[in-house]
Amino acid sequence: DTGVSQDPRHKITKRGQNVTFRCDPISEHNRLYWYRQTLGQGPEFLTYFQNEAQLEKSRLLSDRFSAERPKGSFSTLEIQRTEQGDSAMYLCASSLGPLAYEQYFGPGTRLTVT
Amino acid sequence: TQLLEQSPQFLSIQEGENLTVYCNSSSVFSSLQWYRQEPGEGPVLLVTVVTGGEVKKLKRLTFQFGDARKDSSLHITAAQPGDTGLYLCAGARTGTASKLTFGTGTRLQVTL
Repeated sequence: DTGVSQDPRHKITKRGQNVTFRCDPISEHNRLYWYRQTLGQGPEFLTYFQNEAQLEKSRLLSDRFSAERPKGSFSTLEIQRTEQGDSAMYLCASSLGPLAYEQYFGPGTRLTVT
Repeated sequence: TQLLEQSPQFLSIQEGENLTVYCNSSSVFSSLQWYRQEPGEGPVLLVTVVTGGEVKKLKRLTFQFGDARKDSSLHITAAQPGDTGLYLCAGARTGTASKLTFGTGTRLQVTL
């Protein structure tokens, strides 16, 4: 049973560029979550999917951010026109069933916007 | 507003010492988890507690969920250098079982 995987692990981009991250959840996990973690802070919830449906989005998810899970398996998180404030670790987690606990996290994608 | 406050924020101790990390909130949580995170990696789930007053032991780690389900503690006995890391508590608030709210974290350093 492989864990949650994320790609890429690191991304350096220039301000104004678009970036896309991918998350592959644990197989059979129907819920997938995206979090953002800045240095010295705990992760903050961004959005989550149940199968292919995006059920909740945080106010942190500005119009420049979009997440998809087209076939209910992997998910992508795109950030358009990146800003320096977007620099953070983007974490993906998955869980089986309707309860939020027992979420399993991937290794994260570290984004640096220069 | 941080819903989950952890204390202390930083802790540097020597191998063999005991320590306790606290996670407090004014909100009620339906469940609470503890994670450990290494630099550059995602959080790794250590334990989940769901019942008020629940105590769980994982080798040298003891986790307790408050009776009112608003707070939790993590106690480590005879700390080892391998315990070094960022400890995060996270809760699922009652009525919002779709996401976790994380604490600010406690960075633990255990030296020889």
